[in-house]
Amino acid sequence: QLQLQESGPGLVRPSETLSLTCTVSGVSISSINYYWAWIRQPPGKGLEWIGSVYNSGSTYYNPSLKSRLTISLGTSEDQFSLKLKLVTAADTAVYFCARIMVGHTEYLDTWGRGTLVAVSS
Amino acid sequence: DFQLTQSPSSLSASVGDRVTITCRAGQTITHYLNWYQQKPGKAPKLLIHGASNLENGVPSRFSGSGSGTEFTLTISSLQPEDFATYFCQQSYSTPGITFGQGTRLEI
Repeated sequence: QLQLQESGPGLVRPSETLSLTCTVSGVSISSINYYWAWIRQPPGKGLEWIGSVYNSGSTYYNPSLKSRLTISLGTSEDQFSLKLKLVTAADTAVYFCARIMVGHTEYLDTWGRGTLVAVSS
Repeated sequence: DFQLTQSPSSLSASVGDRVTITCRAGQTITHYLNWYQQKPGKAPKLLIHGASNLENGVPSRFSGSGSGTEFTLTISSLQPEDFATYFCQQSYSTPGITFGQGTRLEI
């Protein structure tokens, strides 16, 4: 059974780097049928796509975050990661990792539970 | 511009009601439109993909339609567990994606 689990610090200080890892179980992230994505949701607000990574390591970023963002495949075959530098209070959100199924159409079919990251001194 | 606009932003309804939520795209996205349900404190759950395809395990009271720039999610007979927030999402520009702002469905 496919599962995704986010992990990382729940508190980050302003101007520092937010780092999260998504651990995938039940399927190989090397499969050609999927992208892997990060999405965030500020408290009480909507969903924002952060970026995606393909099994080749190719990355695609939200233009509004691109200058501060790095998404990469992990050193182990079942992980991918997110680094967002120079964070501010506006980056406080629940961060989700998710799988994008690629085929006739594309859709986010499996999500992690999400992890709340607060940016505060 | 792949911006998505949902209407209404919030909606009050009763158990047994038929409810329709609309999602409009800034330019054509053909059939690359998906719908999700999110309950408080939970991750979104996929309901409909490719505008009209019901995800496995999702009750048949949920249906989606539309193409081009206008899409609808319909719940034929509201159940208590359906009160949640619903988001549309376009995948025309995958791997870049965008979401609508959400529709909160309340009792």
